[in-house]
Amino acid sequence: KAGVTQTPRYLIKTRGQQVTLSCSPISGHRSVSWYQQTPGQGLQFLFEYFSETQRNKGNFPGRFSGRQFSNSRSEMNVSTLELGDSALYLCASSLESGYSYEQYFGPGTRLTVT
Amino acid sequence: SQQGEEDPQALSIQEGENATMNCSYKTSINNLQWYRQNSGRGLVHLILIRSNEREKHSGRLRVTLDTSKKSSSLLITASRAADTASYFCATGPGGSYIPTFGRGTSLIVHP
Repeated sequence: KAGVTQTPRYLIKTRGQQVTLSCSPISGHRSVSWYQQTPGQGLQFLFEYFSETQRNKGNFPGRFSGRQFSNSRSEMNVSTLELGDSALYLCASSLESGYSYEQYFGPGTRLTVT
Repeated sequence: SQQGEEDPQALSIQEGENATMNCSYKTSINNLQWYRQNSGRGLVHLILIRSNEREKHSGRLRVTLDTSKKSSSLLITASRAADTASYFCATGPGGSYIPTFGRGTSLIVHP
C-alpha cells in the first residue's frame, strides 16, 4: 500500500506570495492532519480534515487554510507569506478521526520564504 | 505551551548501549504515542500506550507509562547506528483530538 505523499517536496517563495501544498493520504484513510515544524516552535498542529470537513484547528492565523476533497486528498494554503512561515510542513493521515488512531506521516514539504 | 516535553533534549551513546528518554505531560491523557523522525523527514509511529496500560513492548522498544507522575519513558535496547533520529512523544487530553508533540529528544548512536 502506498504511503502518504506530499507535493512539492521543496518550495521557495517570496514574502507576500501565497502557496498551496498537496497531500495524498493512504488509500482508505479518511482523516488528514497538517503540522508545521520549525526549530524554534517544534511540531505544531495546524488542522485536521475528515470527510471534507475541518474537525480541529490549531492556533494559527487565518492566513493558513486548507480543504479536503471527496477522495480524501487535502490541500493546505498559506496566503501573504511571511519569513516566519519557513518550515517543514507535514501531512499525516489516519483511518478515522480521533487521537487514538495511529497517524502516518508523509515526507513533508520544505518551504523557504525569502 | 507544549503538553508533552521530552527529556533529555539530546543523547549520545555508543552502539550496543541502551537509550532511555522520558516524556512528561501536564493534563490527563487518553493515550500517549511515541514517534521517530529521521533528519528532516516525516515521523514514523513507534508505539501507542493507553492510559490504563503500564508497560508495552515492541521489538527492542519498551515504553512505560506512569499516569500518577504524568510521565512516560521510551527505552531502546541494544541500540544501533540506524536508531539515530529524533524521538517525540505525542499526547492528547482525553477526548480531544488535537495532539500535542514535545520538542523531541535527539538521539545519536555512534558506531
